[in-house]
Amino acid sequence: AQSVAQPEDQVNVAEGNPLTVKCTYSVSGNPYLFWYVQYPNRGLQFLLKYITGDNLVKGSYGFEAEFNKSQTSFHLKKPSALVSDSALYFCAVRDGGANTDKLIFGTGTRLQVFP
Amino acid sequence: GAVVSQHPSRVICKSGTSVKIECRSLDFQATTMFWYRQFPKQSLMLMATSNEGSKATYEQGVEKDKFLINHASLTLSTLTVTSAHPEDSSFYICSAPLWGSNQPQHFGDGTRLSIL
Repeated sequence: AQSVAQPEDQVNVAEGNPLTVKCTYSVSGNPYLFWYVQYPNRGLQFLLKYITGDNLVKGSYGFEAEFNKSQTSFHLKKPSALVSDSALYFCAVRDGGANTDKLIFGTGTRLQVFP
Repeated sequence: GAVVSQHPSRVICKSGTSVKIECRSLDFQATTMFWYRQFPKQSLMLMATSNEGSKATYEQGVEKDKFLINHASLTLSTLTVTSAHPEDSSFYICSAPLWGSNQPQHFGDGTRLSIL
């Protein structure tokens, strides 16, 4: 079965510093990976996805993620964190084959950016 | 851009009440929508897949009679929590994928359900 793991419940970083939010995956077949962000009492917003192609994927709000097949990882990164980036971040993998849109979410990582 | 609208954003009601939550795709058609439940400080739990014109597909452990799903049109899915009790209090979120493989899902803003 497909799964993703987010090993960190919380990540703290100072504003202006680079940030990394970790995600590892376990899939059979080709992975379809996504990152979403959730602000308090809101739904999820799509940040970026990896389907195929370049391992470095650029997304919204200056975020990027690096797909690493050998390490089965898809870490989310940003060169310079903003206080407004503080939110809950979810990594997700598409469940099943090409005919399903179901997503399996990680447990989430709370990012706290301090001024 | 594509938007999913979810209504109401918050519901507070007495135990035993049935509550209906609506999820609409505003500028695209969605043959499939998803309903999630999120507990405090936890991840999203997929409850069911709503299929336009046919029965919903429920995940294991989700009570079909408790959480009624109707997807009567290509832009509207509803989740009805029947005879709600305090343990049903949660944050419910819907989502809909854009047409085409590997498109991201778009999420509603969620409904905070509080049962007294």
